Amino acid sequence: SQQGEEDPQALSIQEGENATMNCSYKTSINNLQWYRQNSGRGLVHLILIRSNEREKHSGRLRVTLDTSKKSSSLLITASRAADTASYFCATDIQGGSEKLVFGKGTKLTVNP
Amino acid sequence: DAGITQSPRHKVTETGTPVTLRCHQTENHRYMYWYRQDPGHGLRLIHYSYGVKDTDKGEVSDGYSVSRSKTEDFLLTLESATSSQTSVYFCAISGGTSGGVNIQYFGAGTRLSVL
Repeated sequence: SQQGEEDPQALSIQEGENATMNCSYKTSINNLQWYRQNSGRGLVHLILIRSNEREKHSGRLRVTLDTSKKSSSLLITASRAADTASYFCATDIQGGSEKLVFGKGTKLTVNP
Repeated sequence: DAGITQSPRHKVTETGTPVTLRCHQTENHRYMYWYRQDPGHGLRLIHYSYGVKDTDKGEVSDGYSVSRSKTEDFLLTLESATSSQTSVYFCAISGGTSGGVNIQYFGAGTRLSVL
């Protein structure tokens, strides 16, 4: 069964608005990653947050991690049409990092 | 997609035929992965390799085999393709899991249709 589950499944916003996506997972982890997938392309790594971190920033991206609730959120500020993509969280399993388990993704549409 | 080439990019085949997908990397990364992506299921791991001739099963390995005879090539074989294996297949590579960090880099994908 999949480790991560994103919420919502789909999100549609206007350019300039913020987009928030959530991820829940089931078991203890070493770290959590977010990836983006543009239509018809492979996934691209965006950001990684370690289990001992609570918040991390990269440009317009802000990721939070709550290990007590086994959840993470990805915030994209001041969204642009080019942010239109699917976003996936991926987790490893504490004690073994060779495999990642991906969620089903959130499809974000940013309307111009 | 830099450094990772998947071939073919598109393939249509008939039920019962063998199919081999190829992933080639120029990054000299130790780890290579095969995933399938289906609507409603996200990305699921089929098999992965942690070195030449070292492979292990993933979540959905039934009906698939893999081989890695060289660092740069990881082959995925469907011995006898079925319609349920119609999917988009992605190869990914990773330099390792040092410090518990495993960042993966993905190829462009192979769209396989089994009729």
